[in-house]
Amino acid sequence: QSVLTQPPSVSAAPGQKVTISCSGSSSNIGNNYVSWYQQLPGTAPQLLIYDNNKRPSGIPDRFSGSKSGTSATLGITGLQTGDEADYYCGTWDSSLSAWVFGGGTKLTVL
Amino acid sequence: QVHLVESGGGVVQPGRSPRLSCAASGFTFSTYAMHWVRQAPGKGLDWVAVISYDGSNKYYADSVKGRFTISRDNSKNTLYLQMNSLRAEDTAVFYCARGAAYASGGGWFDPWGQGTLVTVSS
Repeated sequence: QSVLTQPPSVSAAPGQKVTISCSGSSSNIGNNYVSWYQQLPGTAPQLLIYDNNKRPSGIPDRFSGSKSGTSATLGITGLQTGDEADYYCGTWDSSLSAWVFGGGTKLTVL
Repeated sequence: QVHLVESGGGVVQPGRSPRLSCAASGFTFSTYAMHWVRQAPGKGLDWVAVISYDGSNKYYADSVKGRFTISRDNSKNTLYLQMNSLRAEDTAVFYCARGAAYASGGGWFDPWGQGTLVTVSS
């Protein structure tokens, strides 16, 4: 069982918007920055969002991140079939002295 | 261009002790923490270990503590993972990833290597 909780799956139609939640505690999300990763089928994960809401160069502004208290959210607008992937949240856990990931959310673009 | 390339994977018998390597290029390796993250077949990401930029601090997941050892050679721009007492449940793709600059905790993972598959089987 993962320290961070994500929904196993989400789905939406092309062009629509979807949000993926990531719930933790004060020892992880509550006091540390959150990052998000996209893993397309058969490939290595790729950084999508860092420091809660910042996008690396090359990541389109359709992707956004936010954090409130002990939860974080990834938003994706203008869904495309190419966005079908597994999405993971992650952060440092100060109590565990360990990095923790969510269990992952599979996005299906119907 | 920042690049990470893992090697050392393959089929390993239970109890054996392989060592994974991760060759880094395109950035000042000696100024970044480095991580190992694994992913069992069909499962999610599972953080394994981190080593600080100078090798002075190391942290491990409870599942590998005492069995795995992370190390680095900054003169060779290479990260290592020594794995001892391997079990079937250690079967996974192992990724190396660049972490934070000058810190062990925090930061983020970017980039990731392509991964190397370790299959523990007799």
